Amino acid sequence: AQSVTQPDIHITVSEGASLELRCNYSYGATPYLFWYVQSPGQGLQLLLKYFSGDTLVQGIKGFEAEFKRSQSSFNLRKPSVHWSDAAEYFCAVVNDYKLSFGAGTTVTVRA
Amino acid sequence: EAGVAQSPRYKIIEKRQSVAFWCNPISGHATLYWYQQILGQGPKLLIQFQNNGVVDDSQLPKDRFSAERLKGVDSTLKIQPAKLEDSAVYLCASSLAQGAEAFFGQGTRLTVV
Repeated sequence: AQSVTQPDIHITVSEGASLELRCNYSYGATPYLFWYVQSPGQGLQLLLKYFSGDTLVQGIKGFEAEFKRSQSSFNLRKPSVHWSDAAEYFCAVVNDYKLSFGAGTTVTVRA
Repeated sequence: EAGVAQSPRYKIIEKRQSVAFWCNPISGHATLYWYQQILGQGPKLLIQFQNNGVVDDSQLPKDRFSAERLKGVDSTLKIQPAKLEDSAVYLCASSLAQGAEAFFGQGTRLTVV
């Protein structure tokens, strides 16, 4: 079955430390890939997207993600986390014109 | 540019009652999505429209849920009758075309008691 997997349900990171969130997909071809962030009580905001070309993409709020075809992964990274980055993060994939989401990773930032 | 508008923001109903949600997508966006997000889970696609035609509704519980997008702009999602397990946030999103980045509204939080 086609799916998007986010292996980490919850990650706690210290403010100023680096952050990496994992995402794996199981589609055959190279899909379109996205990362969204959701703050409490809010809708989803697009952080970045990958369609083709350079496998390292830059997004908003200092986030970046790297597409690795050999690992079917699209991991999200941020070098230095701010307290405002505490939120839920969703990896999403478009395949066959449908946008499907992973279960999400909750990020807690400690002072 | 105005974003995706949804109403109401919150709704509490009793089981077996009916409820309707409204969505106004970003102007010019041909593709419109309705998602159900249960607490602690990722959004689940209920139905996807391309203009006013249905592209995918494979996960829409058609015995109780219905959706329409008249004139290819606004959309409504209806639940009749509601069940306790329908308690969730209902998100509407739109994109210029299928496969393009989707923009989300703030959602409607439904509580069925």
